[in-house]
Amino acid sequence: NAGVTQTPKFRILKIGQSMTLQCTQDMNHNYMYWYRQDPGMGLKLIYYSVGAGITDKGEVPNGYNVSRSTTEDFPLRLELAAPSQTSVYFCASSYSKQSATNEKLFFGSGTQLSVL
Amino acid sequence: GEDVEQSLFLSVREGDSSVINCTYTDSSSTYLYWYKQEPGAGLQLLTYIFSNMDMKQDQRLTVLLNKKDKHLSLRIADTQTGDSAIYFCAEGRSQGNLIFGKGTKLSVKP
Repeated sequence: NAGVTQTPKFRILKIGQSMTLQCTQDMNHNYMYWYRQDPGMGLKLIYYSVGAGITDKGEVPNGYNVSRSTTEDFPLRLELAAPSQTSVYFCASSYSKQSATNEKLFFGSGTQLSVL
Repeated sequence: GEDVEQSLFLSVREGDSSVINCTYTDSSSTYLYWYKQEPGAGLQLLTYIFSNMDMKQDQRLTVLLNKKDKHLSLRIADTQTGDSAIYFCAEGRSQGNLIFGKGTKLSVKP
């Protein structure tokens, strides 16, 4: 059972570089999410998607882009990396609208990103 | 201030009960959740409570909800060293997103 898989686990970027964080799930979930977790802070929602071809902004979308061409994949793109984007990034998925049900979010193991 | 607030640290002895408290702001939240994060891992759902309930018990876990005061608590009975982790309170918003607290780091001493 793979669940939610994120790659890479760690990455160091220089200011201004770009990269894509990959996320894939094999549970046929409709909803997928990207969160960032800063030290000593709760998770903040960056972007989410309710299905293939549909994405929407979360609380902290600036500096990021997403796409959802398939149900399985939800990559997160950083175009011009900045030190403020140093964080741990978590991808998550759920079958339905998770805040309105008791259905849980399934989280990936995270990507630790440092921008220097 | 933060939408969801919880204390940052809690230290207990093995075998004691742990109580982690949380306050939230949106009275229309339908579900409230407790997630557990072990070192180097993603969050895992521990338990949840529907907003029209006062209490929910699940083995060693008891969730209490005071909707009037917007206060949520998680009690872990007979706390074990394996319970050491960060515990996040989260409220489900009507827009479909979860708002997380900063997390409470629980340390269990043998």
